[in-house]
Amino acid sequence: EVQAVESGGGLVQPGGSLRLSCVASGISFSSYWMSWVRQAPGKGLEWVANIKQDGSEQHYVDSVKGRFTISRDNAKNILYLQMNSLRAEDTAIYYCARDELWLRYWGQGTKVTVSS
Amino acid sequence: DIVMTQSPDSLAVSLGERATINCKSSQSLLYSSNNKNYLAWYQHKPGQPPRLLFYWASTRASGVPDRFSGSGSGTDFALTISSLQAEDVAVYYCQEYFSTPMYTFGQGTKLEIK
Repeated sequence: EVQAVESGGGLVQPGGSLRLSCVASGISFSSYWMSWVRQAPGKGLEWVANIKQDGSEQHYVDSVKGRFTISRDNAKNILYLQMNSLRAEDTAIYYCARDELWLRYWGQGTKVTVSS
Repeated sequence: DIVMTQSPDSLAVSLGERATINCKSSQSLLYSSNNKNYLAWYQHKPGQPPRLLFYWASTRASGVPDRFSGSGSGTDFALTISSLQAEDVAVYYCQEYFSTPMYTFGQGTKLEIK
């Protein structure tokens, strides 16, 4: 069964940190780039970051550069997003997805709320 | 940076009627070396993850009903639903991957039943 399950979301104060995880199964995790995409309340989809199969290359949307770090553990089929210096505008549902240029398999998402 | 603009922002169509959503890119998404348009379409329903509908602008993803079609080339693209069903109510997004490995989505088009 194809599955991706995100976790690690929650309520955090501005300036705080969170680490999101995405456990994948049935999607040939280690053979594909993986991406994080977010949707802020009432807004559209925004691509956040992606990482190459072996973890040697990462890319980020400008608004998170220097604050977020994407990584992966191919032995455990887990994708991570370390989020530091969080801002109110980072409040969103965060999805992981298999990245084939298009995003084919998505998780259900994990909600991040940045508020004091 | 490529800017993706969808029109309209929202659309109400009667059941059984045709619905067309447009997507315009600020630069051509047609890659000359392979003659492919670097554009995907997604359907997003509340409480669910987005669902891939099309890639290469018109290649239907697995399981997508044939009432859905993708068309266009260069800077102008369209997603058409030939006969709207109730389950098609959703927000639809285009996404360019010409800028790979970085991507941009359109702002979304909300499709409702009239």
